[in-house]
Amino acid sequence: QQQVKQSPQSLIVQKGGISIINCAYENTAFDYFPWYQQFPGKGPALLIAIRPDVSEKKEGRFTISFNKSAKQFSLHIMDSQPGDSATYFCAAALYSSASKIIFGSGTRLSIRP
Amino acid sequence: NAGVTQTPKFQVLKTGQSMTLQCAQDMNHNSMYWYRQDPGMGLRLIYYSASEGTTDKGEVPNGYNVSRLNKREFSLRLESAAPSQTSVYFCASLKVKQAHTTQYFGPGTRLLVL
Repeated sequence: QQQVKQSPQSLIVQKGGISIINCAYENTAFDYFPWYQQFPGKGPALLIAIRPDVSEKKEGRFTISFNKSAKQFSLHIMDSQPGDSATYFCAAALYSSASKIIFGSGTRLSIRP
Repeated sequence: NAGVTQTPKFQVLKTGQSMTLQCAQDMNHNSMYWYRQDPGMGLRLIYYSASEGTTDKGEVPNGYNVSRLNKREFSLRLESAAPSQTSVYFCASLKVKQAHTTQYFGPGTRLLVL
């Protein structure tokens, strides 16, 4: 079974702090790792994604760190804001055959004012 | 651009009833997907359609059927609903672009089977 394990299940961070969500995958053939953000009552939306040819990708306050040898990747949210409160899903896929994307179980992030 | 639309938004069914969830996208994407989302289990793929005229099973296809009516529309049918199918259902389409593939999700259909 191709799995993506995500932790923690829930996370509470003070405003201005750093939120960190971790994921691990099993299939070394995966070569595309997106993160999705989901607000209550809405569908998930792509937040940021990385290919394994780089170890880090940054977009604004959001950074993906990627460790190919450990088969792990993480999302860092700097200067976390109450508007970042949402559920975050990591995923792994075969970029060349993006017909299937395996999602992690999700992390519910709450930012305290 | 409406993106990905889903109908209905909410539905209550009795065990054994049937229904069809509708999905449409106006972005001219080839691939479309149906997921279910349950607490603590993330998104699980039910069926997908890589292109018009083709459909394939995902991780949890039992109890469901799909139809790719045309490039825009991809429907999910529950022939005989069971309480275990109580879930939130999301339809998605896929955009493939250099260095990025992006799934666009609809707003979801919340289904309760009594």
